[in-house]
Amino acid sequence: AIQVTQSPSSLSASVGDRVTITCRTSQGVRDDLSWYLQRPGRAPKLLIYSASTLQSGVPSRFRGSGSGTEFALTISNLQPEDFGTYFCLQDNIYPYTFGPGTKLEIK
Amino acid sequence: QVHLQESGPGLVRPSETLSLTCSVSGDSISSTVSGGYYWSWVRQPPGKGLEWIGYIHYSGGTNFSPSLKSRLTMSVDTSNNRFSLKLTSLTAADTAVYYCGRGHCITTNCPLDSWGQGTLVTVSS
Repeated sequence: AIQVTQSPSSLSASVGDRVTITCRTSQGVRDDLSWYLQRPGRAPKLLIYSASTLQSGVPSRFRGSGSGTEFALTISNLQPEDFGTYFCLQDNIYPYTFGPGTKLEIK
Repeated sequence: QVHLQESGPGLVRPSETLSLTCSVSGDSISSTVSGGYYWSWVRQPPGKGLEWIGYIHYSGGTNFSPSLKSRLTMSVDTSNNRFSLKLTSLTAADTAVYYCGRGHCITTNCPLDSWGQGTLVTVSS
């Protein structure tokens, strides 16, 4: 199975900041990578698919980039509702595999 | 807007079989949009990350995680717009929140664009 790593595992930021989370896969997955936000006690929510396409209804302050084995999620102008755990998912080759998550906390 | 809701027992004894159902509303489980959705299951052990379990297509086609394949079956009930999971020979390692989700295929990728709220399953005697 394709291994997925994320960095950092956690970070603290303030409202209004810009942060970047990276995701790496053990083999190339083209642009078949999606990003999810999970708030505590809630189900994950799709933010970005196909590496850089914004899911309907997701604010434009979220931006995805990358292809192959290296990907990034950048969030600009952090808002209170953006805090939680971010997961990437390689959805190119079965079995799909998630990254271990990046916990974004309020500073 | 599609809505998914998991149902099933909260507590299961070791060695027994887990049966979960995901009821879908707001869309047809037999929809042929994008060739049909991949109705999926994902689980999350308490305090840990997400694990993809597998999916079933309305046609009955499936794809399962190799680590669970020998213990796993899935079925789809198009009449009642729901799909189900059965996992046998449970151990404490199967304790997790189980989510159902909708895989919406783009080209070769099928991101999970809708999720149920999740149901906690505890394996304990």
